[in-house]
Order: sequence, then structure tokens, then C-alpha cells
Amino acid sequence: GQQVMQIPQYQHVQEGEDFTTYCNSSTTLSNIQWYKQRPGGHPVFLIQLVKSGEVKKQKRLTFQFGEAKKNSSLHITATQTTDVGTYFCAGLRDYKLSFGAGTTVTVRA
Amino acid sequence: EAQVTQNPRYLITVTGKKLTVTCSQNMNHEYMSWYRQDPGLGLRQIYYSMNVEVTDKGDVPEGYKVSRKEKRNFPLILESPSPNQTSLYFCASSLYREGLYEQYFGPGTRLTVT
Repeated sequence: GQQVMQIPQYQHVQEGEDFTTYCNSSTTLSNIQWYKQRPGGHPVFLIQLVKSGEVKKQKRLTFQFGEAKKNSSLHITATQTTDVGTYFCAGLRDYKLSFGAGTTVTVRA
Repeated sequence: EAQVTQNPRYLITVTGKKLTVTCSQNMNHEYMSWYRQDPGLGLRQIYYSMNVEVTDKGDVPEGYKVSRKEKRNFPLILESPSPNQTSLYFCASSLYREGLYEQYFGPGTRLTVT
């Protein structure tokens, strides 16, 4: 079945630094979504990418969808303590949504 | 207020005792889904529903049943729970218009099966 791999599993970041989390699918995706889950909370939608090569920005967050629609990345610049949480990518194919295992981010002040 | 509600939020039960976790949304969404979340495995889709009376298996459907008799409700049924179904469960809903839109998640149900 469809698999979505996400790396790294953990990211420890110094406040102010940048980091990137990567998502790779074994199959071509219709679209990819990104979610953020704060500790003890539920996943909250961040963004959806649909087109090949698409790049979208939300303030310090940059999302990219690969040309082959099999991979995606989330890059966060100037990390803040509010960025703490787990970031998930989710790929859609044939009405089924497959989530990556997530990247859990901790921030050193 | 647009929301997805789940009940109960916490449940401790014993092996083999049938249980139902309810899920309801007030946004008139077509697509509803159940996920389980386990450490290191992310969210895995159990079942999803494209609309009333239309349901299909996700990646981990074994041991679960669902029904979609009304658009707003999508209950998850465990006919004979086992300890390996101890997990955090999320229900989610979204619009579906020639493509899937953002999913709205419920607050989660933490289930322990002893």
C-alpha cells in the first residue's frame, strides 16, 4: 500500500535557527497536506499543495511539493518557542490519506 | 462554532467488551475519517467515508467497524476490543469537492483495553 516516510523523527533546534522536515511517498500523490500537533492536542491543518513544483509560504514556514509529486518539504526559518510540536505530512491518493510518522520539534531557548 | 466532537474522551475497558466511539461534525462535510495515533507511527487511517452510506477501509481496518447513516455522524465500533487496540483515536471531517480539503480533527479519544 501507499507509504509516506517522514524524516527526521526528532529535531532539536536552537531558537533562531532554521530547520527542514522531509516527506517522501512511494507513489505519486494527488496532493499533500501538512498539519501541526501541539503536545496534548489534535492535528491542525497548515496547508495543502496540489500542483507539481508548488511552493507556498506562511510567514516563516515554506512548503514545497516535488516535481514528481512524490515528495514534499517544510522549512522553518528563525525557529521560535511557539514552533514546538509535531509536524505531519499527509499524502492523498485514491481518496485515502496517508500520514507520515511526524517530526517532533523541540526548541532550546 | 464549527467543530468535530468525539465521545467519550477517555475510556478504559476490558478485552472483548463491545464499545462505540461517537463522532459528530456540524460543518456539513462529505468526507469523514477515523485515525489511530501510536508513538512513532504517526496517524494511521482506519476507515473513511465519502458520504452517507459510503465507507471504505483505510490502512488499518482490522478489528473495527464504522457506519455512516447520517451525514453528520460517523461512529467507530470495536466489536471485541483487544489490548493492541489501546491507542489515541481521532475523528476528522472535511469538504470533498473534486478533491479533499483541509481536515478538521476532533479532540481525540484515549482508549485503554486491558
